[in-house]
Amino acid sequence: DGGITQSPKYLFRKEGQNVTLSCEQNLNHDAMYWYRQDPGQGLRLIYYSQIVNDFQKGDIAEGYSVSREKKESFPLTVTSAQKNPTAFYLCASSPMATRGGYTFGSGTRLTVV
Amino acid sequence: AQSVTQLDSHVSVSEGTPVLLRCNYSSSYSPSLFWYVQHPNKGLQLLLKYTSAATLVKGINGFEAEFKKSETSFHLTKPSAHMSDAAEYFCVVSDTGRRALTFGSGTRLQVQP
Repeated sequence: DGGITQSPKYLFRKEGQNVTLSCEQNLNHDAMYWYRQDPGQGLRLIYYSQIVNDFQKGDIAEGYSVSREKKESFPLTVTSAQKNPTAFYLCASSPMATRGGYTFGSGTRLTVV
Repeated sequence: AQSVTQLDSHVSVSEGTPVLLRCNYSSSYSPSLFWYVQHPNKGLQLLLKYTSAATLVKGINGFEAEFKKSETSFHLTKPSAHMSDAAEYFCVVSDTGRRALTFGSGTRLQVQP
């Protein structure tokens, strides 16, 4: 079955460390997205990519970095510059040709210890 | 700029009674609008979407929503609540410029037995 796989499901990080969250899709979608979810705030866009080797900052990109070397993969690195990284991170993808049709992964919960 | 306002952060209903989750939007474009549901520590599941076809949209699990341009609203309804409907619901608008989603802050639906 096609879908989006996020790993790991839970991740613990020490302060000052970088961590990378994985997102892989086998839907042949062109566009991929990273969102951050905090209680009571809905989801906020971190980065998005509409094509391989290209990506744009979303609303809260500071302290994060991404790469899009392959169509199927869009990893997110949470750097030590991100001051409050504890959150639930969701990856999504969509085809370019249609409006809607976004598919979400099951999320990664990152906790800074 | 586009935005979404979910008018209630928390709604509580009794099982078997109607559900109404309210959403107002603001968009410079002809919007695509969605409702997503999220169960605890899970990803998001699409309930329904409006993409400029019929204004009354039927979704999964008996939910439906009506697009009212004059009121800039997209309220979600269900005639009879079930215990399994208890979850967080997000109203979402699509930015056709960058093809990323803008989320409301969410409404937590509680269903009492």
